[in-house]
Amino acid sequence: QVQLVESGGGVVQPGRSLRLSCAASGFRFGDYGMHWVRQAPGKELEWVAFVWYDGSYKDYGGSVEGRFTISRDNSKNTLYLQMDNLRAEDTAVYHCARDRGTRRLFQNLFDMWGQGTMVTVSS
Amino acid sequence: DIQMTQSPSSLSASVGDRVTINCRASQSISTYLNWYQQKPGKAPSLLIYSASFLQSGVPSTFSGSGSGTDFTLTISSLRPEDFATYYCQQSFTTPITFGQGTRLGIK
Repeated sequence: QVQLVESGGGVVQPGRSLRLSCAASGFRFGDYGMHWVRQAPGKELEWVAFVWYDGSYKDYGGSVEGRFTISRDNSKNTLYLQMDNLRAEDTAVYHCARDRGTRRLFQNLFDMWGQGTMVTVSS
Repeated sequence: DIQMTQSPSSLSASVGDRVTINCRASQSISTYLNWYQQKPGKAPSLLIYSASFLQSGVPSTFSGSGSGTDFTLTISSLRPEDFATYYCQQSFTTPITFGQGTRLGIK
């Protein structure tokens, strides 16, 4: 079954850290670039980060750059998002999403999504 | 950053109606424009990529057009399962940006 399943969300105090995971199955994970996209309650979608198929290139949205780190372990078919120095405005559902392109031919659009994991930043 | 603006923000229609949703980019993005559908409590799903190409498995009642800064998503004949929120997204450059969404409700 082709799917992405996120985990690791929860309630955390401002300034603290959290690590999200995304387990991929049913496709060759190591062939695809992967993204994190978030959605605050009642708000539009916001792109967070992208990592190349082999982990050698990463890109971040401006609101998270310097605080969040995207990574992947292709041997475990898993994507990660390390979130440090969390702020109230980081409260959102975090989705992992597969890039539609493969290897170096990434397209910056998303053809598969996980259901998401909720992160709430509150004191 | 490239700003994406959708119109209208919401609309109501009936089963069988033809509906159009517009998306405007703050600068030219060629045809690097994609459309997603999102139902409540669900992840988005890709409908149209590169402005006019139908993603595999998406019904042919959906179509997209446009280039440069102005784009349109058209649903030729609404089905009950089409009532959802629709987002445009530019893939021209990072940061990747989305429109604010158009909520399509039942009249």
